Amino acid sequence: DTAVSQTPKYLVTQMGNDKSIKCEQNLGHDTMYWYKQDSKKFLKIMFSYNNKELIINETVPNRFSPKSPDKAHLNLHINSLELGDSAVYFCASSQEIVYATQYFGPGTRLLVL
Amino acid sequence: QKEVEQDPGPLSVPEGAIVSLNCTYSNSAFQYFMWYRQYSRKGPELLMYTYSSGNKEDGRFTAQVDKSSKYISLFIRDSQPSDSATYLCAMKEGYGQNFVFGPGTRLSVLP
Repeated sequence: DTAVSQTPKYLVTQMGNDKSIKCEQNLGHDTMYWYKQDSKKFLKIMFSYNNKELIINETVPNRFSPKSPDKAHLNLHINSLELGDSAVYFCASSQEIVYATQYFGPGTRLLVL
Repeated sequence: QKEVEQDPGPLSVPEGAIVSLNCTYSNSAFQYFMWYRQYSRKGPELLMYTYSSGNKEDGRFTAQVDKSSKYISLFIRDSQPSDSATYLCAMKEGYGQNFVFGPGTRLSVLP
């Protein structure tokens, strides 16, 4: 039973393309997140959603847009991909805002050529 | 100065050694402190979670928080080769969702 799953695992694409990464959690959590981990391993929060409402949007380019069709899913759409978008993207979920227990997905490795 | 600093390593120790991993931070508003373990090509998994100052023990792992020094530690007793991974510290303020991660320390436990 996979708690937090992401698809695809690997994504190789050309600059300028538009792509999506899907995330699903079966833990019944009400908050989901997207993180970016760059080549130096820094993990930075991009977005979080609570009850289908965006509650954090860090200084992320508006080419990135999270979409949550329901509480169990938070997808990440990226328009006009740039070389600097190459990174590992992790989805995570937690039970409530105040709690610090986040469960991470396996990551999606994005390479923009 | 970065908000959270952590020695990236790599740190190599023999099996059975006691490992000490540390993070320093600059934001005195941080109240929740976490340690995550990340195996190669996997997502981080939560190891320890501490609120405010003090110690917390879970099996071979002990987390310590010293808010006065803005310093947190993770100790691993009787280290095993399976502990070889990158260890990330993370912290956040009270109610917010702004989790701030350190860059991680890569640990190798040699059999």
